Amino acid sequence: DVKVTQSSRYLVKRTGEKVFLECVQDMDHENMFWYRQDPGLGLRLIYFSYDVKMKEKGDIPEGYSVSREKKERFSLILESASTNQTSMYLCASSMGPSAKNIQYFGAGTRLSVL
Amino acid sequence: AQTVTQSQPEMSVQEAETVTLSCTYDTSESDYYLFWYKQPPSRQMILVIRQEAYKQQNATENRFSVNFQKAAKSFSLKISDSQLGDAAMYFCALTNTGNQFYFGTGTSLTVIP
Repeated sequence: DVKVTQSSRYLVKRTGEKVFLECVQDMDHENMFWYRQDPGLGLRLIYFSYDVKMKEKGDIPEGYSVSREKKERFSLILESASTNQTSMYLCASSMGPSAKNIQYFGAGTRLSVL
Repeated sequence: AQTVTQSQPEMSVQEAETVTLSCTYDTSESDYYLFWYKQPPSRQMILVIRQEAYKQQNATENRFSVNFQKAAKSFSLKISDSQLGDAAMYFCALTNTGNQFYFGTGTSLTVIP
């Protein structure tokens, strides 16, 4: 079974802090994704990566950056956390650039910025 | 632009009954995939079913089936013989590249014992 592991289920941070959300997948998937999930808004793509050191902006990249130094790990960085970044963050991975490929999701990180 | 719309924020069904969740989408691409994902409370999102746009036959997975109407750009999910474990948030999603997925806003399904 594919496993996508997010390092924290819950995080509480202060405004202005630098926040790292980590995601690791164990199936040698090429694609990795970071989404933000908010009630009534569904899932919105922040960034995705199709290879090591490669990244593409999604629909809402402002205030976020990402890092993919190794194929299995994809990090989401909030350079200076703000209260409007309080949300559920979901990481996902898929095999590669084919539309038929299924996305596998992590359990999510619920981030609260105070 | 590609969009996915789920117009039912909440639905409920009696255990053992059938329920249909609606999804409409818009895309200018001719080749694409559609998915239904399930997110149980506090648990990981998992794939329920997927449909290739060029296949006319509706996909089926056990108690889950879809009604894919390509011309109408409609992709509804039917759950038969509903079980308590079907209670979850359901998301409809669309992709034509595999690099970017577009999700609806979700439908919260309650199963009443």
